[in-house]
This record gives sequence, structure tokens and C-alpha cells, in this order.
Amino acid sequence: NAGVTQTPKFQVLKTGQSMTLQCAQDMNHEYMSWYRQDPGMGLRLIHYSVGAGITDQGEVPNGYNVSRSTTEDFPLRLLSAAPSQTSVYFCASSPWTGPYEQYFGPGTRLTVT
Amino acid sequence: QQQVKQSPQSLIVQKGGISIINCAYENTAFDYFPWYQQFPGKGPALLIAIRPDVSEKKEGRFTISFNKSAKQFSLHIMDSQPGDSATYFCAASSQETSGSRLTFGEGTQLTVNP
Repeated sequence: NAGVTQTPKFQVLKTGQSMTLQCAQDMNHEYMSWYRQDPGMGLRLIHYSVGAGITDQGEVPNGYNVSRSTTEDFPLRLLSAAPSQTSVYFCASSPWTGPYEQYFGPGTRLTVT
Repeated sequence: QQQVKQSPQSLIVQKGGISIINCAYENTAFDYFPWYQQFPGKGPALLIAIRPDVSEKKEGRFTISFNKSAKQFSLHIMDSQPGDSATYFCAASSQETSGSRLTFGEGTQLTVNP
């Protein structure tokens, strides 16, 4: 099993550009989530999904969209990138229907100039 | 609103010593308290977790102590090793009030000197 994979590993965007961060898991997990990690702020939940077709907002959802058309994939879209979205983004999945025993991907480091 | 407060921000311990990281929470409905370990350039990994029906859980050199009345929980790393040098995050979740959300503390950067 590859576990949770994220692409790209690094990305530089200009303000106003849009892009999609990819996340996939091959463990047949129902629960998937996106976090951003900023220095001194821990990890903050952006969006999460408890199964295909079901998504909900987390703590910091503004400026981001998600969809969950399959169990395996949970892409995160930045609609119009802003410097405040410069961060490291982590995708995670759990075999449970909630945020228990989450497996994290390796992260995507995003810089918005 | 930060619902989980973690301290200290950084910690330096000598090899063989005990590392202690503390977390305090506000929401009395929290019912799941995990600790995650993160090495530089990697994603966090679940280390150990506890539910409020027990006051302590031990896995190898790692122990969670839980004080429900004080709304605090802590991670103890016994016989700390240089390989334990990492950032540690506490977190909390409530099935009742936060459903499928996990709230993290700010993180503690642990350095274990040889």
C-alpha cells in the first residue's frame, strides 16, 4: 500500500492563480481531511469528508473548495490564491468515520507570491 | 478560538531524561485525545491516544496522563533518545459537539541532546 499520497510536493503560485492539490489513499478509508500547518499554529482543519459525496467545512475553509467523487481521492482547490495561503498542506485519512487514527500524507509546501 | 493549548513551545532534554509536554482544553465534551509526532519534512504520525474513561495509557516509553477535572493531559517520554527529537502535537475531538473535527495544539519542538 502506498498509503496517503499528495502531489505536488512543492508549488509556487502568483496571487490570483488557482490550482488543485491532489490527495489519494489506497486504504479504502471513508474519512479524509485537509489541514494547513503554519508556524506556531499547529494544524488547522480546512475541509473534511466522511465518505464519497459528503464534505463539510473545518476551521479555516475560506478560499478553498473540495469534492469527494470517489473513496480514494480528495482534491483541494484554491480558487484565487492569496499570500495568506502560503503554508504546508497535509491530507489525512482514517479507517473510521471520524478523525481517529489518522494517516497523514507527506505534505505540499505552497508559496503564494 | 484555540480550544487546545499546548506547552512548552520548545523543550530541550538530555539523553535518558524525561520529556513532559502539557495540553489544556476548554471543551468538556472532548472525548478523544491523541498525540502526534512529526519529523522534519514529514507528515504527522499518530503516537498514542486516550479516551477520558482512563487516567493513564502507556505504550513503550510513551505515556499519556489524563486529568479530567483539571481539563489537562500530558505526554511523558521516558528515557528520551536523540531519535525522539521531533515536533509533538496534542489534539482533541468530541463526537458530540465537533463531530468529525480534530483540534490540534500549537506543537512542541523537542530536542534530545546526546
